[in-house]
Amino acid sequence: DAGVTQSPTHLIKTRGQHVTLRCSPISGHKSVSWYQQVLGQGPQFIFQYYEKEERGRGNFPDRFSARQFPNYSSELNVNALLLGDSALYLCASSLRPGGQPQHFGDGTRLSIL
Amino acid sequence: KQEVTQIPAALSVPEGENLVLNCSFTDSAIYNLQWFRQDPGKGLTSLLLIQSSQREQTSGRLNASLDKSSGRSTLYIAASQPGDSATYLCAGKEGYSGGGADGLTFGKGTHLIIQP
Repeated sequence: DAGVTQSPTHLIKTRGQHVTLRCSPISGHKSVSWYQQVLGQGPQFIFQYYEKEERGRGNFPDRFSARQFPNYSSELNVNALLLGDSALYLCASSLRPGGQPQHFGDGTRLSIL
Repeated sequence: KQEVTQIPAALSVPEGENLVLNCSFTDSAIYNLQWFRQDPGKGLTSLLLIQSSQREQTSGRLNASLDKSSGRSTLYIAASQPGDSATYLCAGKEGYSGGGADGLTFGKGTHLIIQP
């Protein structure tokens, strides 16, 4: 079975632009979470979606938004990009929120010039 | 707010040694704890998940323990191999029911190098 897939793998943007990152969960998984990992740090929680509804949000500004589609895939959108948004963006899926193990994709490396 | 600390930040040992990676957390209201491996430029690979009602989990040469009262988890790697070289991250899921939507709280990881 395919694991969590993310696209694109790499992306270069300039300050002020907008970006959309995509994630397809493992088949049968209905919960998707997004994390930001800055170089040298552990991942930080951005959003969790379950059954197409936002279930949780980390301490990120409103420039960050996300949604989940009927097929449980998800998009992360970031507006008005800043240099500090440069990071590896990771998507994780699980059967449902809570006590299930989370499975991560390889991430999207976003560089802001 | 949960904080997770991993010690040491980096570790280099010869092949064949047994080693222990440490993870501590500040809030004992932890629902489960998960250990991950991350290779350079890659995503996270789940290694072991310990539920709050469990004390340890084993998979092959890996053994992870959880002590909620002391706020600690350890990952034991037996007979280390060069292929074990990676960054190891621990992450806690908060809450008593696990249904909270706060996501996982990660440590900064331990960068492990196994010398051939």
